[in-house]
Amino acid sequence: DAGVIQSPRHEVTEMGQEVTLRCKPISGHDYLFWYRQTMMRGLELLIYFNNNVPIDDSGMPEDRFSAKMPNASFSTLKIQPSEPRDSAVYFCASSLGILGTEAFFGQGTRLTVV
Amino acid sequence: KQEVTQIPAALSVPEGENLVLNCSFTDSAIYNLQWFRQDPGKGLTSLLLIQSSQREQTSGRLNASLDKSSGRSTLYIAASQPGDSATYLCAVMNYGGSQGNLIFGKGTKLSVKP
Repeated sequence: DAGVIQSPRHEVTEMGQEVTLRCKPISGHDYLFWYRQTMMRGLELLIYFNNNVPIDDSGMPEDRFSAKMPNASFSTLKIQPSEPRDSAVYFCASSLGILGTEAFFGQGTRLTVV
Repeated sequence: KQEVTQIPAALSVPEGENLVLNCSFTDSAIYNLQWFRQDPGKGLTSLLLIQSSQREQTSGRLNASLDKSSGRSTLYIAASQPGDSATYLCAVMNYGGSQGNLIFGKGTKLSVKP
């Protein structure tokens, strides 16, 4: 398996624009996580899914953020409208099961909002 | 609220040294603890996962220990090499609350000089 695949790797957008980040989890993994990493706050969980169903979205910072998982092999994280403070690296991770199992991370999407 | 702290934030050592990275957490009610490695511009790679019932895990030159009662974990790297240069993150998964939520420290940036 190629691992968790995220696209794009880098995104530069203007404030107010819509941004969509994409993730393909490892085949067969039933959990998918979206994390955000910043220098100030480190890595923070935004939302996670189990079998395509959102389980906990308490980490989603604002209503401007939304995430979907229409099928087992694809998820999106959307920011609309984007703001400069959304600039960060966004990671997607997947795991087989949740407790006591390793999470495998994608390479991340570096988002810059100007 | 669980907080994970890693000290030092940065560490520089000459090649060949044995070294210890430290991680502490405030709530001992954890399910497991994981150590990750992050290379610049890359995602996270899981190194070791220690269940709460375990005291240590070993993989090659890496050994991670866990003392749940004192809220501490160490990552021991033997005979360090320049290729070990990266940021090392520890993360805990709590009992209760959102079981998908790995709570990360901010990492120790390790530089191994040839």
